[in-house]
Amino acid sequence: AQKITQTQPGMFVQEKEAVTLDCTYDTSDPSYGLFWYKQPSSGEMIFLIYQGSYDQQNATEGRYSLNFQKARKSANLVISASQLGDSAMYFCAMREGPSGTYKYIFGTGTRLKVLA
Amino acid sequence: ETGVTQTPRHLVMGMTNKKSLKCEQHLGHNAMYWYKQSAKKPLELMFVYNFKEQTENNSVPSRFSPECPNSSHLFLHLHTLQPEDSALYLCASSGTRRQETQYFGPGTRLLVL
Repeated sequence: AQKITQTQPGMFVQEKEAVTLDCTYDTSDPSYGLFWYKQPSSGEMIFLIYQGSYDQQNATEGRYSLNFQKARKSANLVISASQLGDSAMYFCAMREGPSGTYKYIFGTGTRLKVLA
Repeated sequence: ETGVTQTPRHLVMGMTNKKSLKCEQHLGHNAMYWYKQSAKKPLELMFVYNFKEQTENNSVPSRFSPECPNSSHLFLHLHTLQPEDSALYLCASSGTRRQETQYFGPGTRLLVL
């Protein structure tokens, strides 16, 4: 069974508008971390934002925020004021397991295209 | 200098060749990872090293052979590869604190002819 599910293979958003990229996860580990990465066409994976399973507040990093709904096991990424440079693949990932044996599991990604 | 570097950035090899991919991290991390990224597939974890010891081998064929001589360097030795091994190979490193993310290198785009 998929542990990280990204149901949107592709998304379009108008420049300067906000967009939400969906991510649901599945784990029985009470302690886990959730991450979002951006992958431009150059290939490098760029870390965007992190949410710990015990964090009370939703994470924010500049124009990125993570809408963490623990009971629903969802960790959606919200990008505000989209820019043309935001066009890329976006991956949701989860880290689980004890320290020293961490496992990182990635979703299939969402390709975002920002329109001028 | 960037945190995680990979060389070469591009590699074309025949099925009978032997080549090596190199990864180096300058972040003081103790864990290093090899991933394979093929078109239209999720990122596949291949190997994990913690403090130079291999802690994960995700059923990777023996034609891929990792080596981790120290916490800063990671190699992936390739021999007798198949065309389906053509992919982007990404190296990453991370610390041991729970909130630490993985930091990725730019990847090596491998084409096996």
